[in-house]
Amino acid sequence: QSALTQPPSASGSPGQSVTISCTGTSSDVGGYNYVSWYQQYPGKAPKLIIYQVTKRPSGVPDRFSGSKFGNTASLTVSGLQAEDEADYYCCSYAGDYIDVFGTGTRVTVL
Amino acid sequence: EVQLVESGGGLVQPGGSLRLSCAASGFTFSRTWMHWVRQAPGQGLVWVSRINSDGSTTYYADSVKGRFTISRDNVKNTLFLQMNSLRAEDSALYYCAIEGEALDYWGQGTLVTVSS
Repeated sequence: QSALTQPPSASGSPGQSVTISCTGTSSDVGGYNYVSWYQQYPGKAPKLIIYQVTKRPSGVPDRFSGSKFGNTASLTVSGLQAEDEADYYCCSYAGDYIDVFGTGTRVTVL
Repeated sequence: EVQLVESGGGLVQPGGSLRLSCAASGFTFSRTWMHWVRQAPGQGLVWVSRINSDGSTTYYADSVKGRFTISRDNVKNTLFLQMNSLRAEDSALYYCAIEGEALDYWGQGTLVTVSS
């Protein structure tokens, strides 16, 4: 149950795109299409923004998109806005009803 | 409106016990799988435990297996986490969360501090 690997930080200017990677193994990210992404502002609870690799819950802007290739999932934020400055966490099903989170990435809007 | 309100956190000595609660409303609790997730101060999210809708099956992260017990009361719409043999590394904000498409809704958390 090792944490999935994310870059500690990512940044971009308003209007640009930023992509965050989430690297696991064939036992978690690579083995299942159950990768989700969460956005967390300081002092607040996480919020689901992507589920099942590519799907967005109702109300989440289509600027947020997810993908996966092999053992690595990615979250892309297009048309970066100031309000997108937050921490982002990936999460993957790892079999046997166990989930594992990523190490988290802080996104800064320059 | 979905609401999850955690309580029961506090300061406890190493080796001690604590029972967390999560009061749920705004959805059909008895049909919903639930989770606990924790976050140490300044650190990332860590999955802790999962329970099925009727409470008959439970799952744990290796780091808490044998020390923590997740349970639920579907009459009182409440989720619990009994934490025994607490260690300093268990200090964290503990969130309960609803399993829907993923972890669809989260409470605001209750803070557990393990220190002498």
